Amino acid sequence: GQNIDQPTEMTATEGAIVQINCTYQTSGFNGLFWYQQHAGEAPTFLSYNVLDGLEEKGRFSSFLSRSKGYSYLLLKELQMKDSASYLCGPRVSGGSYIPTFGRGTSLIVHP
Amino acid sequence: DTGVSQDPRHKITKRGQNVTFRCDPISEHNRLYWYRQTLGQGPEFLTYFQNEAQLEKSRLLSDRFSAERPKGSFSTLEIQRTEQGDSAMYLCASRTSGVADTQYFGPGTRLTVL
Repeated sequence: GQNIDQPTEMTATEGAIVQINCTYQTSGFNGLFWYQQHAGEAPTFLSYNVLDGLEEKGRFSSFLSRSKGYSYLLLKELQMKDSASYLCGPRVSGGSYIPTFGRGTSLIVHP
Repeated sequence: DTGVSQDPRHKITKRGQNVTFRCDPISEHNRLYWYRQTLGQGPEFLTYFQNEAQLEKSRLLSDRFSAERPKGSFSTLEIQRTEQGDSAMYLCASRTSGVADTQYFGPGTRLTVL
């Protein structure tokens, strides 16, 4: 089974930096996705980490430590439109791809 | 529009009725997934197909839930004898079979059972 833990809610100020942490315990880990989901909309892809380390993509970066079962999503220069839920999704291997998601972290960006 | 589409976007039904939702994946995607999402939770995996084969269905919530993908293109999810607890957003996603290929989600069908 998979246990995925992320903070339920975070708040931050426009222009600031925020880090959303995710810890997981899975059987057969094979990479981790981060998705963004605005209220009432479908999740949209942000990043996918397979190897340890930091991957940067514009204002968003994602970090993975496989040995620690830990990942984080770093959002820089926050904008109001970044207010959304951020879903951590470990990918489990073993013959079939079954992505599972945590409950998500609701990020509120205020002026 | 080349994204994943779902129909209907909203469905209101009375308890005990059957409902069916449709998902049309991105055309070259051979893998298709169904999820359920309730308020404040992440998407909960239900089932998935590779082409027309349903490779995982043990996580369907009960025997009232069934899914098909008869020709390996669009898929349907049916809920029989709906209950109020079935009220949720039902999401469909698709991807190719590449190792690191991304899932693309559809807009979802919001089900309300009265």
